[in-house]
Amino acid sequence: DSGVTQTPKHLITATGQRVTLRCSPRSGDLSVYWYQQSLDQGLQFLIQYYNGEERAKGNILERFSAQQFPDLHSELNLSSLELGDSALYFCASSVELDGQPQHFGDGTRLSIL
Amino acid sequence: QQQVKQSPQSLIVQKGGISIINCAYENTAFDYFPWYQQFPGKGPALLIAIRPDVSEKKEGRFTISFNKSAKQFSLHIMDSQPGDSATYFCAASSAGKLIFGQGTTLQVKP
Repeated sequence: DSGVTQTPKHLITATGQRVTLRCSPRSGDLSVYWYQQSLDQGLQFLIQYYNGEERAKGNILERFSAQQFPDLHSELNLSSLELGDSALYFCASSVELDGQPQHFGDGTRLSIL
Repeated sequence: QQQVKQSPQSLIVQKGGISIINCAYENTAFDYFPWYQQFPGKGPALLIAIRPDVSEKKEGRFTISFNKSAKQFSLHIMDSQPGDSATYFCAASSAGKLIFGQGTTLQVKP
């Protein structure tokens, strides 16, 4: 058990809809990272938050947004969903801003019908 | 320049054998190189990691070999066991974010 909790485990929705994925980092970790895993793109970094502030962006679509709350949990919001957004979304956390290692949750599997 | 190239895509090894997975990178700013193991339905779990000032790191049956001049690093799994059957990802990090290789599916036959 990595100590990183992601909910829900599975999410099934339709095109055009909006969903929110939630992540609780390990106790004491200030950095939260979001990754997308798909068959064609592999594991790709989306965005990082550190102590409530956005710190780095990767290949994140404009339809996607995230935030980190004062209690350090994070949410990834995906809107105007398309079939291609079907993927596994992972959250990871680390202690410091550029800190390693990153510990991953078990992900949310998003299926768009 | 941000890519990490991993090979082979899949690997079959007999129990007790050595599994070797290779990765190459271009960006010399990378300063941390972890290997993750992923089982179906689970998130990636850190196996072992190395920084570029070290050429080799060993933890139990797992060894990372790092060649800074060639910009390559590899994972060696000694005495491979059926329980090692999983997908393995190399990664490289600069300023925190991880850039992953495409993954290697390892099957260890009993």
